Amino acid sequence: RKEVEQDPGPFNVPEGATVAFNCTYSNSASQSFFWYRQDCRKEPKLLMSVYSSGNEDGRFTAQLNRASQYISLLIRDSKLSDSATYLCVPIGGKLIFGQGTELSVKP
Amino acid sequence: SAVISQKPSRDICQRGTSLTIQCQVDSQVTMMFWYRQQPGQSLTLIATANQGSEATYESGFVIDKFPISRPNLTFSTLTVSNMSPEDSSIYLCSGSSALGTDTQYFGPGTRLTVL
Repeated sequence: RKEVEQDPGPFNVPEGATVAFNCTYSNSASQSFFWYRQDCRKEPKLLMSVYSSGNEDGRFTAQLNRASQYISLLIRDSKLSDSATYLCVPIGGKLIFGQGTELSVKP
Repeated sequence: SAVISQKPSRDICQRGTSLTIQCQVDSQVTMMFWYRQQPGQSLTLIATANQGSEATYESGFVIDKFPISRPNLTFSTLTVSNMSPEDSSIYLCSGSSALGTDTQYFGPGTRLTVL
C-alpha cells in the first residue's frame, strides 16, 4: 500500500461550490500533515498545516481522522483561483507526497 | 520563511551529457532535498543533501547518476549525469529548518528536456 493515496480527480466544480477531497495514509504514527497546492508548472506552496484534529483558515478546513487514517480538505465558496493540484503530505521524517488531487473551478 | 532560487530555470540538453542544477537559499536551513516531478506525476524524493557529507539517496536513485553536493547550509547542487530522454523532468530543490516538522519551501524548479 502506498504511504499516501489521493483521489487524482479531476474535480470539476462551478464557482461558489463547496468541494472536499480526502487523503488516506498508511503510517498510523503520522500525527500531523501539510496540505500543499501546486499550480500548473509551478512549485508546491504550503496551504495549511494540520497538527491536531483539524485546522481552519478562511474558506479552507482540514480535518484529520486518525481512526480511519485519512485527512480531508474542504474548500467553501470555490474561486477560479482555487484551481490547482492539492498535495497531502504527512509530517515526520522525509516528506512523501501523494499524487495530488486536481481541482478545476469553472465560471 | 525561506526564499529558494534555482539555476537554470530550464534547459534542453543532448543525450549523454550532464547538467548541474544549483539551489540557493536566502537563509540557513537544516535540511535540503532534491525532488523530481515527471509530467503528470507528483513529486518523487531523489535524495537528502547533507552538509559536508554524502547525500542520502532514496530507492531507485544512485550517486553515480545524481551526484549531489552541499558545501554549506545555504547552497546545494544536483547533477544529472549521462542524460537520456527519460530524465526529462522538473527538478525541484527544497529546504526546511527541521526534519519533517517544519514547513518545506520549494524552489521554482528546473525544467529539463533531454533530446
